[in-house]
Amino acid sequence: GDSVTQMEGPVTLSEEAFLTINCTYTATGYPSLFWYVQYPGEGLQLLLKATKADDKGSNKGFEATYRKETTSFHLEKGSVQVSDSAVYFCALSETGKLIFGQGTELSVKP
Amino acid sequence: NAGVTQTPKFQVLKTGQSMTLQCAQDMNHNSMYWYRQDPGMGLRLIYYSASEGTTDKGEVPNGYNVSRLNKREFSLRLESAAPSQTSVYFCASRRTVNEKLFFGSGTQLSVL
Repeated sequence: GDSVTQMEGPVTLSEEAFLTINCTYTATGYPSLFWYVQYPGEGLQLLLKATKADDKGSNKGFEATYRKETTSFHLEKGSVQVSDSAVYFCALSETGKLIFGQGTELSVKP
Repeated sequence: NAGVTQTPKFQVLKTGQSMTLQCAQDMNHNSMYWYRQDPGMGLRLIYYSASEGTTDKGEVPNGYNVSRLNKREFSLRLESAAPSQTSVYFCASRRTVNEKLFFGSGTQLSVL
């Protein structure tokens, strides 16, 4: 069945460091891919999405490219801030179903 | 503009008791979902309803049942609660498969 695998956290970075959070997926067809973020004490909110191969989603300095050949959708940001500290969830959507990875906690230190 | 409304916010059950979690959305969304969130496990899909009149199993459906009562409402029932069902439950909805998910505020359930 469909599944999403994320790199394990927690990830701890210094402010202005480069961020990569790996996400790979398995799916039977051609899913849409998403990154959601959960800030402390809040609910999940959509960060970015890509609906077909080679699409790049971007928002708030974060980017992710839908790579069909490697079944990946890695999240990147060039320079993280303390305010980016949160849990990040990769997700895929296919035929109405929407499933999430286990989440990766990011902690950014000043 | 209420969005997705879940009730109750907190619940404590004894093993073997039953209960129904209620969810309603006022955004005319087609698809509705129930997830559970456990530490280190992310959100796991219990059941979903891609459109009114349909329901399908997700990743962890055992021990749960759902009802899509109408386009607005999607309830989750625990027939005989077990301690393993202690979790935070989220209802969510979206208009189409490529649009963002709107979440309810969650139900914290403890089964003793």
